[in-house]
Amino acid sequence: QSVLTQPPSVSGAPGQRVTISCTGSSSNLGAGHDAHWYQQFPGTAPKLLIYRSNIRPSGVPDRFSGSKSGTSASLAITGLQAADEADYFCQSYDTGLSGAVFGGGTKLTVL
Amino acid sequence: QVQLQESGPGLVKPSDTLSLTCAVSGYSISTTNSWWGWIRQPPGKGLEWIGYINYSGTTYYNPSLMSRVTMTVDTSKNQFSLNLLSVTAVDTAVYYCAKRGSGGSLDYWGQGTLVAVSS
Repeated sequence: QSVLTQPPSVSGAPGQRVTISCTGSSSNLGAGHDAHWYQQFPGTAPKLLIYRSNIRPSGVPDRFSGSKSGTSASLAITGLQAADEADYFCQSYDTGLSGAVFGGGTKLTVL
Repeated sequence: QVQLQESGPGLVKPSDTLSLTCAVSGYSISTTNSWWGWIRQPPGKGLEWIGYINYSGTTYYNPSLMSRVTMTVDTSKNQFSLNLLSVTAVDTAVYYCAKRGSGGSLDYWGQGTLVAVSS
């Protein structure tokens, strides 16, 4: 059972917009800690996609965006492409654990 | 370019100690306020934070693993290490090392190493 809750799967057709939610609690997202998002392809390491809830590292397309409000955060992907098919994880800091917590991951399928 | 590379045995016997090292290049592990972490991912499952260590050896461990985990840093070799005691099959996972970045994100990751616990 992951500390942050994500839907197991989402899907969308090429060109569409999808969102992935990440729900936490008062000891992590609700405490004001940032949400970070990672993209992971099979057999590879996670790659940082969004940090500090809404900042894209250099090289990440602006089709990817993040937001955060209260105990929840969201990742939005617009102009969906087949290459976006991957697993997506959210992460934050938890005051009670004094460390990182992750969501269980969401598998994005491009129809 | 910051790069991290995990190394260690791919097979560990039950009740033995899992030992991994993460070699860092392109960035000094001694940089003030730098933090380094270990994360693991059981096959087909999600990510689990194991712990952080900083340049001076200060550590934070996941409470669920705290009794079995030790992390150390070797600034002379620009690397840090993980020891996990008394492993069982549930410790079978891909183990990643990573650099902690802005806001507590993990901005650079190693490629990961699969460690299987089996007799």
